[in-house]
Amino acid sequence: DAKTTQPNSMESNEEEPVHLPCNHSTISGTDYIHWYRQLPSQGPEYVIHGLTSNVNNRMASLAIAEDRKSSTLILHRATLRDAAVYYCILRDTNAGKSTFGDGTTLTVKP
Amino acid sequence: DTAVSQTPKYLVTQMGNDKSIKCEQNLGHDTMYWYKQDSKKFLKIMFSYNNKELIINETVPNRFSPKSPDKAHLNLHINSLELGDSAVYFCASSHRTTGSRSTGELFFGEGSRLTVL
Repeated sequence: DAKTTQPNSMESNEEEPVHLPCNHSTISGTDYIHWYRQLPSQGPEYVIHGLTSNVNNRMASLAIAEDRKSSTLILHRATLRDAAVYYCILRDTNAGKSTFGDGTTLTVKP
Repeated sequence: DTAVSQTPKYLVTQMGNDKSIKCEQNLGHDTMYWYKQDSKKFLKIMFSYNNKELIINETVPNRFSPKSPDKAHLNLHINSLELGDSAVYFCASSHRTTGSRSTGELFFGEGSRLTVL
């Protein structure tokens, strides 16, 4: 399985941007890059996904490197409610197996 | 309306017992999954069904048996429960294909916390 690696933890101040990195050097051409977050005591929640181009939605932006071996999730203005574990995963076009890594625990300080 | 619902939310039982966790999705998805999240918060896929057909079966003990009576339901039955089975079990669903018709986005339930004593 193509794997992803992320920093174990990151901190941010409230109202500041946050850049969460993810490495996926073994990504295949058919893998989509997905980001999910898990708030305490909840199930993971979809954040954003992309294939090659950068993507924006109401929750975040996703910047994908030209070689697709890394990506960055960008939260433009972190709020206390953004404190969660963020997972970067790869999903193939058949949406079969998706391997979750350890994720990044984001702490947002007021 | 709850998109992916699991029952029960909490389950406390003794070693050796048999228990089931039920999952239902009302999103019209064709693929459903069971994930296990242990105390270290690592999410590991266990099974996946597409249109009631098993498509992913990870290295999971035979004591775990998924059953999909229809596309909207995927239940997990566990026989002879062991201490190491204690975890949070998440059900999820998605469209199988990723592309113009769908994002392949995974929708998760809120989890079922199983404690084996």
